Amino acid sequence: AQSVAQPEDQVNVAEGNPLTVKCTYSVSGNPYLFWYVQYPNRGLQFLLKYITGDNLVKGSYGFEAEFNKSQTSFHLKKPSALVSDSALYFCAVREEGSARQLTFGSGTQLTVLP
Amino acid sequence: GAVVSQHPSWVICKSGTSVKIECRSLDFQATTMFWYRQFPKQSLMLMATSNEGSKATYEQGVEKDKFLINHASLTLSTLTVTSAHPEDSSFYICSASWRQETQYFGPGTRLLVL
Repeated sequence: AQSVAQPEDQVNVAEGNPLTVKCTYSVSGNPYLFWYVQYPNRGLQFLLKYITGDNLVKGSYGFEAEFNKSQTSFHLKKPSALVSDSALYFCAVREEGSARQLTFGSGTQLTVLP
Repeated sequence: GAVVSQHPSWVICKSGTSVKIECRSLDFQATTMFWYRQFPKQSLMLMATSNEGSKATYEQGVEKDKFLINHASLTLSTLTVTSAHPEDSSFYICSASWRQETQYFGPGTRLLVL
């Protein structure tokens, strides 16, 4: 079975400070990992993904995520947060070669304070 | 690239009527489209997966006769909520992918059944 956990429902950070949104996963084989962002009353926007290769993945809007196999984590990071980054962030996983669809985490609400 | 549209963006209907929601991939061909339902402040719940030209695969607990899904072409899938009731009120989001690559999401449709 595949699963993903986002341990924090809410993350608050001051504008200009670095931000981290945590995600851990569980799959039997190799994971395909994704981060999406959702603004109010909108669908999800793709930020970045890890399939293979470098553990540090760079994505849209200055976001990056680091794949850590030993810790089964894929935390989302940004060096300097903007107020406009305030949104709901979802981590998702799918096992390589699996016909199963994406499994989403419960979401983390990020609030960047001016 | 990778733009997915949904229409309508919101709809209000009377109980007992049917509502059709369209999902289109605008700049790529989608071999697979997904339909999700999202309750306030919750994660996405996968309702069904549809592959072009074949019957949709519904998740456990989703009534296929109530939520009719058609994926007649590589750029269009429709979800019809038949005989809608107030408990069907929700935010419905579609996504599209090419050969199980990254899913790209539509902006969502908010349905309110009176």
